[in-house]
Formats: sequence, structure tokens, C-alpha cells
Amino acid sequence: DTAVSQTPKYLVTQMGNDKSIKCEQNLGHDTMYWYKQDSKKFLKIMFSYNNKELIINETVPNRFSPKSPDKAHLNLHINSLELGDSAVYFCASRQEETQYFGPGTRLLVL
Amino acid sequence: KNEVEQSPQNLTAQEGEFITINCSYSVGISALHWLQQHPGGGIVSLFMLSSGKKKHGRLIATINIQEKHSSLHITASHPRDSAVYICAVRWPGNQFYFGTGTSLTVIP
Repeated sequence: DTAVSQTPKYLVTQMGNDKSIKCEQNLGHDTMYWYKQDSKKFLKIMFSYNNKELIINETVPNRFSPKSPDKAHLNLHINSLELGDSAVYFCASRQEETQYFGPGTRLLVL
Repeated sequence: KNEVEQSPQNLTAQEGEFITINCSYSVGISALHWLQQHPGGGIVSLFMLSSGKKKHGRLIATINIQEKHSSLHITASHPRDSAVYICAVRWPGNQFYFGTGTSLTVIP
């Protein structure tokens, strides 16, 4: 009965590959986010979706493309992975003012 | 310059000590959040504040809107409080900006 789940938990891949991270929330929330946490533990918002529509798209390379097939899912697809993409990616959903975070996906690009 | 500044960056305390972590922000906000990131990496939302003060167990969070400042206090600290505490502000709209975090270690 996990509230916000992400798959995979760990992802190790070569530079230049394309990969996807999936996020699902079973809380019925309208708003979902993707965040990136760098090696210094600094969290930064990447995207925000509200009811399947893109609300925020921060300065993120267009190699990153979010996709929301329905309100409960917000997936992150990354093309042509680069070394600097190595980070922990967190998905979150929000109801009113409380955010619920997924467990994170640790991406390592070699 | 980051829109959200936290201090201290690192904090070591003896078990039982009273702890204060500070957060300052530079623009008007609709809400401020305190988050806790456990050593295993999981993130939990502790408080959401738009004014005044909130208390949950040994944790107390306060905010001063005029001074653009919030504090998170932990009373009777315990080793299980060891974590990174992150301040996040929500701007009107859906934007969230995060502080750099305060890494707290409570020694038995």
C-alpha cells in the first residue's frame, strides 16, 4: 500500500543510452513532481504536472521528457544520458500543502 | 544566490540537547515546508507552515512572515533524529525551492 512508488530503485547505465523512470501514486492527488538531488544533496524541481498537464518545466535539458499517461502516473524519460545526469531522482505527489515523496531512483551514468 | 538559505549546514549534538535549525528566504511565499531526509535517503514531510507555529511531538516549527524566516526546533534530541533537515518554500503557483539542508547528528 505504498503511497508513491518509483521504479527502478537503482539504475546503472552507459553514457548515450536512453532510460525511463516510472512513478505511480495511489493517493488520488492531482499534482505530481519530479526532483533531482545532486551529489551535494541539493534538491531541485524539474517538472510539475497537474491532472496530466505540464505546469512547471524548469531549465532542464530537453533530453528529459516527462510523460503522464494518467493522473496517477508521471514517468521520466531521459535520452542520450550524460555523466552529469548521475543523481537521485525523486517523484512526489501533493495534496493541498503536503508532499509525499517516492523512495528515489539512484541513477549512475558510466 | 539560493532563494532559500539554511543554517547551520552541519550540526552535531549530544542526546537530550535542544536543537534549532534556521531557514531564511528572499521572496514572498505561499507556504514553507520542513522535510526530513533519513540516512537511507527517504524524504518525509514534517510540517507545512504559512504562519505562526506548529508542534508535532518533540518537533516545533515557527515562521515569521515579515522577517522571511523559519526555525525548526527539536526538544530532547535523540540519535534517531539524525537526518538531513530541508527547508522548502512554495511560491504562488507550483514552484518549490529548497534549502541546501542541515545535516544533524545526535550522539548518544
